[in-house]
Amino acid sequence: NAGVTQTPKFQVLKTGQSMTLQCAQDMNHNSMYWYRQDPGMGLRLIYYSASEGTTDKGEVPNGYNVSRLNKREFSLRLESAAPSQTSVYFCASSEGWGNYGYTFGSGTRLTVV
Amino acid sequence: TQLLEQSPQFLSIQEGENLTVYCNSSSVFSSLQWYRQEPGEGPVLLVTVVTGGEVKKLKRLTFQFGDARKDSSLHITAAQPGDTGLYLCAGYAPSGSARQLTFGSGTQLTVLP
Repeated sequence: NAGVTQTPKFQVLKTGQSMTLQCAQDMNHNSMYWYRQDPGMGLRLIYYSASEGTTDKGEVPNGYNVSRLNKREFSLRLESAAPSQTSVYFCASSEGWGNYGYTFGSGTRLTVV
Repeated sequence: TQLLEQSPQFLSIQEGENLTVYCNSSSVFSSLQWYRQEPGEGPVLLVTVVTGGEVKKLKRLTFQFGDARKDSSLHITAAQPGDTGLYLCAGYAPSGSARQLTFGSGTQLTVLP
């Protein structure tokens, strides 16, 4: 039972480089999310996908793009990385809206130098 | 934007002691969730409370949702080193199209043997 799988686990980028963070879930969940976690600031939502084929901005979308490739996969792309994007990124999924709990991946630690 | 404030931010106690962690907001939430996060991992759902005044018990952990559905508490009895981790509360309050969980910044609990 893999749950939510994120790759890579660690990444170092130079300012201006691009990369894509991958996320896949095997629970047949409808909704998927990308969060970033910074010390003292909790989890902040970057983008979410309520269902396959839809994506919406969250609290901190600037500098990021997403693709809901299919029901299982939701990727996050940094087109031109900046030091301010140094963070731990978490992908999560849930059955849908409402009182459903989220299942999180184990995170990607990204450093932009 | 609904804000959730958690207190205390940091808590260090001896094994066997009791503790309470608080999660407060000026907004009403339809449900409150509690997660625990260990180093290098994503948050893991502990419980969801949905009814004002609701109390749920999970072994030595007791969760309460305030009558007005604006606050919640987590009480741990006879804490053990295995309880060490970051405790996050998260509220769900559908607001237009921004239907998502709002996370508090967390309480870092350390239980010393």
